Amino acid sequence: AQTVTQSQPEMSVQEAETVTLSCTYDTSESDYYLFWYKQPPSRQMILVIRQEAYKQQNATENRFSVNFQKAAKSFSLKISDSQLGDAAMYFCAYRSGLIQGAQKLVFGQGTRLTINP
Amino acid sequence: EAGVAQSPRYKIIEKRQSVAFWCNPISGHATLYWYQQILGQGPKLLIQFQNNGVVDDSQLPKDRFSAERLKGVDSTLKIQPAKLEDSAVYLCASSPQGVWTGEQYFGPGTRLTVT
Repeated sequence: AQTVTQSQPEMSVQEAETVTLSCTYDTSESDYYLFWYKQPPSRQMILVIRQEAYKQQNATENRFSVNFQKAAKSFSLKISDSQLGDAAMYFCAYRSGLIQGAQKLVFGQGTRLTINP
Repeated sequence: EAGVAQSPRYKIIEKRQSVAFWCNPISGHATLYWYQQILGQGPKLLIQFQNNGVVDDSQLPKDRFSAERLKGVDSTLKIQPAKLEDSAVYLCASSPQGVWTGEQYFGPGTRLTVT
């Protein structure tokens, strides 16, 4: 079974600074997806960024980028120029590459990010 | 495009009572998921539907939880009887069928408190 581990329960960063959230995972599959989801307080979960395992290039979405190390099974999220609106719980998630069948997301425990003004 | 809808948003019940949650996925999305998120943890899948058929219910406590997706559109998750440990946020998510990006779209969740 796949597992996802986020070793940082809480992180804080000064506004406009850069912060990196860590995530490691365990799988025997070669084809899969990795995601970072953001869950603001009392608001719904939204996708921040995704990475397909077959792609060597790290995904980037504006101020958000990932460092995907497939051999090390590591998938960290870097947030540049942190803004107050970035404050939230961040979840790393894994999904099998299967097109049909079980396609559940396996989530890590989450990292609570605080932005200090 | 309307997002995933869930109701109610909040529910408080006493242990041993029953409760039902409703979810309407994004139009055209064939796959629907119910996740349980206990406070301080990541969501855990309870059940996955593909159209109106169950794909994965391996982590659903079937002695007290049930779910259905009649007509392959909206879905209901029921707990009967509820226990204190069922206090959690119940998230519904949906995704389209076929080759796609792997993303699941989440609803706002239903926060259940069992007293």
